[in-house]
Amino acid sequence: DQQVKQNSPSLSVQEGRISILNCDYTNSMFDYFLWYKKYPAEGPTFLISISSIKDKNEDGRFTVFLNKSAKHLSLHIVPSQPGDSAVYFCAASAGANNLFFGTGTRLTVIP
Amino acid sequence: EAGVAQSPRYKIIEKRQSVAFWCNPISGHATLYWYQQILGQGPKLLIQFQNNGVVDDSQLPKDRFSAERLKGVDSTLKIQPAKLEDSAVYLCASSLQVITSYNEQFFGPGTRLTVL
Repeated sequence: DQQVKQNSPSLSVQEGRISILNCDYTNSMFDYFLWYKKYPAEGPTFLISISSIKDKNEDGRFTVFLNKSAKHLSLHIVPSQPGDSAVYFCAASAGANNLFFGTGTRLTVIP
Repeated sequence: EAGVAQSPRYKIIEKRQSVAFWCNPISGHATLYWYQQILGQGPKLLIQFQNNGVVDDSQLPKDRFSAERLKGVDSTLKIQPAKLEDSAVYLCASSLQVITSYNEQFFGPGTRLTVL
C-alpha cells in the first residue's frame, strides 16, 4: 500500500525554466512533508520541508506548496539549473514516526 | 561534521549466503534507521533504533534479517540467508532524536547488494 505517490517517473526541463514536481498522499495523519534529492551512488539529501500548518515554504530557488484538502504537495524549482538534475523523493511523516517515501521523479535539466 | 558512514559500498553474494552491513551515524545522533531501497522504488524503513533500543521493526523480515546497535552508536544489519529479492540498496540514516517533533534524517551513501 503506497501511501506516498509520485506519478511522474521523469521530467525534463530547459535550463532557466521552472521545474514542478508533484506528490500525492493518502494518509490524513501525515503532518510533516519533505523533499529529498538523490544523486547516483549517493544517499538522499534533505532539500526542503513543510509542516501541515503551512501551505507554502520557500528556500532560495526551491518552494514547496501543500494542499491538505487535495492531499497534494509540489516542489517548484525556479530557475532550474543543470546541477539540479537528480532523482527527487517526496516523503511524509505522522508526528515523530518514520518517513514514508514516494517512488521518486528523475529530473533532467537540459542546458 | 562527518556524515553517516556505511560499508561496504558494494556486495555481491549468492543466494543462501550471509551478508552484513555496517553503519556509523553522525556523532551525537540518538536515532538510527535502516532502509531498503529496491530499484525503481523509494526507501522503505526496515528498523529504527533510539539509542540502543528498537523503536520500530514492524517491516523487518525477522526470519532472515537482524540488526543491532550495541552501545547506541554503530549498527550492523545482517541477512541470513539471502534471497534474490533482497537485491537492493541498503541505506542507513540518523537523526538527533525522536521525541515529540520531527527531526531531519541524514542518509549515508548506501550499500548496494546484489544476490545472484
